[in-house]
Amino acid sequence: DSGVTQTPKHLITATGQRVTLRCSPRSGDLSVYWYQQSLDQGLQFLIQYYNGEERAKGNILERFSAQQFPDLHSELNLSSLELGDSALYFCASSSSADLYGYTFGSGTRLTVV
Amino acid sequence: QQQVKQSPQSLIVQKGGIPIINCAYENTAFDYFPWYQQFPGKGPALLIAIRPDVSEKKEGRFTISFNKSAKQFSLHIMDSQPGDSATYFCAAHQTGANNLFFGTGTRLTVIP
Repeated sequence: DSGVTQTPKHLITATGQRVTLRCSPRSGDLSVYWYQQSLDQGLQFLIQYYNGEERAKGNILERFSAQQFPDLHSELNLSSLELGDSALYFCASSSSADLYGYTFGSGTRLTVV
Repeated sequence: QQQVKQSPQSLIVQKGGIPIINCAYENTAFDYFPWYQQFPGKGPALLIAIRPDVSEKKEGRFTISFNKSAKQFSLHIMDSQPGDSATYFCAAHQTGANNLFFGTGTRLTVIP
């Protein structure tokens, strides 16, 4: 157990729908990162939050959004889902003392049908 | 645009062999180069990392070689074991940026 908890582990939904992925970072970690992993593109950075504030944005679609709550858990919202959004979504966290030491959760496998 | 280029895509070695995975980059602002190991159904886990001021780092059977002038770094796994079978990702962190740029991964299979 890495200490980063992601729920749900699996999600199957239809095109056009909206889903929410949840991440609880490791205790004490203020930074949360979201990554998308697909077969042909590896791990793609989506967005980072630090202590509730957005810090960096990567290749995140406008249909996707995220937030980090006061208790530091984060949610990634994916809307108007398309078949191509099917992927593994990972959350990672890091502490202020070791910003580069990312700890990943086990991921949420999203299948859009 | 892939910031970190990784090869090969897949690799099969016999137990005891020394698989080598290579990565290359262009951005000279990268200041930290970690390697992650991922088993099926799990998230990537930090394996070993190096900063550009050293040319080699060893941790157990895992060694990173770093060539700053060539902008290349590689992972060597000594005396590889079937339990090392996993996907390996190299990554790079840019000074001032807030994310890691990952390579596309190498699926390693170690045959008993």
